Amino acid sequence: KNQVEQSPQSLIILEGKNCTLQCNYTVSPFSNLRWYKQDTGRGPVSLTIMTFSENTKSNGRYTATLDADTKQSSLHITASQLSDSASYICVVKRNTGNQFYFGTGTSLTVIP
Amino acid sequence: DAGITQSPRHKVTETGTPVTLRCHQTENHRYMYWYRQDPGHGLRLIHYSYGVKDTDKGEVSDGYSVSRSKTEDFLLTLESATSSQTSVYFCAISEADQETQYFGPGTRLLVL
Repeated sequence: KNQVEQSPQSLIILEGKNCTLQCNYTVSPFSNLRWYKQDTGRGPVSLTIMTFSENTKSNGRYTATLDADTKQSSLHITASQLSDSASYICVVKRNTGNQFYFGTGTSLTVIP
Repeated sequence: DAGITQSPRHKVTETGTPVTLRCHQTENHRYMYWYRQDPGHGLRLIHYSYGVKDTDKGEVSDGYSVSRSKTEDFLLTLESATSSQTSVYFCAISEADQETQYFGPGTRLLVL
């Protein structure tokens, strides 16, 4: 069964600290993996897209890693800011058809 | 929100009535998508379009129909709304199916 699981479900960190969010998937055949940030009451915004051959991609303070062998990805946030408070969603695209599999997200709260 | 608007932004309707949600884009992107987002579930694809008059079903298409008569507009119709269709609906666009999806602001629908 094609699934995407994210952990932790929620996370609270102090402003300025780093954190890492996890995504494990069983989607096959794999096309690409995406991380989105979704602020409360708004649509998701893309952070990164990684294909099979890419194992690291950065977007400012966000760095995503991909291990296609173990089917795991992580999103590392450096020097967190209050504006990083949001839900972070991992999405895996299947290589056949136009099928996307969404995780349920990690809710991150950054406190002063 | 990358030139994507959704209307209405909020709607309350009664069970059994038809409802049409509109997604409008100014980016001239080929692909358009309709998703629903519910607590405890990731975003789920309802229908998508890969060109004018070209549409296909997603994971949760039962009870929904779509139409795309112009590049810029993608309509989602709930033929006879049910309480289980209470949700937040997001439209998304992309230039190609491997490219980044840009999401609209969402429509919050309540079916009583």
